[in-house]
Amino acid sequence: DAGVTQSPTHLIKTRGQHVTLRCSPISGHKSVSWYQQVLGQGPQFIFQYYEKEERGRGNFPDRFSARQFPNYSSELNVNALLLGDSALYLCASGRRGPNYGYTFGSGTRLTVV
Amino acid sequence: SQQGEEDPQALSIQEGENATMNCSYKTSINNLQWYRQNSGRGLVHLILIRSNEREKHSGRLRVTLDTSKKSSSLLITASRAADTASYFCATDGDSGGGADGLTFGKGTHLIIQP
Repeated sequence: DAGVTQSPTHLIKTRGQHVTLRCSPISGHKSVSWYQQVLGQGPQFIFQYYEKEERGRGNFPDRFSARQFPNYSSELNVNALLLGDSALYLCASGRRGPNYGYTFGSGTRLTVV
Repeated sequence: SQQGEEDPQALSIQEGENATMNCSYKTSINNLQWYRQNSGRGLVHLILIRSNEREKHSGRLRVTLDTSKKSSSLLITASRAADTASYFCATDGDSGGGADGLTFGKGTHLIIQP
């Protein structure tokens, strides 16, 4: 089975632009979560989607939005990019409910210049 | 914001030695998980321990959890060069269903000297 796939792997954007990041979960997993990891820090939770509905949101501004499609893949959108949005964006796939670990993709490295 | 802290921030040991990392957290949890990350890429799930468990083993890994002290430790026995990576603890809050996401610490960077 394929793991969690994320695209693109690297991206360079200019301040003020917007970006769309994509994630395909493991087959059979209906939950997708997004995390932002700034260099030298642990990942920070942005969103969780399950069955195409937002189930959780971290402490991020409204410039960040996401959605989940009928095939359970997901997009993360960031508008009006700031230099501080430069980070590794990680997607995690999992089963819903407690006591399951998550499978992470390799991430998208976003650089805002 | 980060939930907790791993200790130490960095650890360098000789191959074959044991490595111990500690994690502290602040709020009540459903479970605590440990992940490994190589060179700033994706995280690999290592082990999950539930809030009602005190110790868990998986291969060369041993995890303990003390909910009264809000702390956990990860022991890697007989370390190998391939264990060189950053290790993160992550807590899954007790809201249920993971709706709050995982809350990660800042990680411990482990270097295994050959």
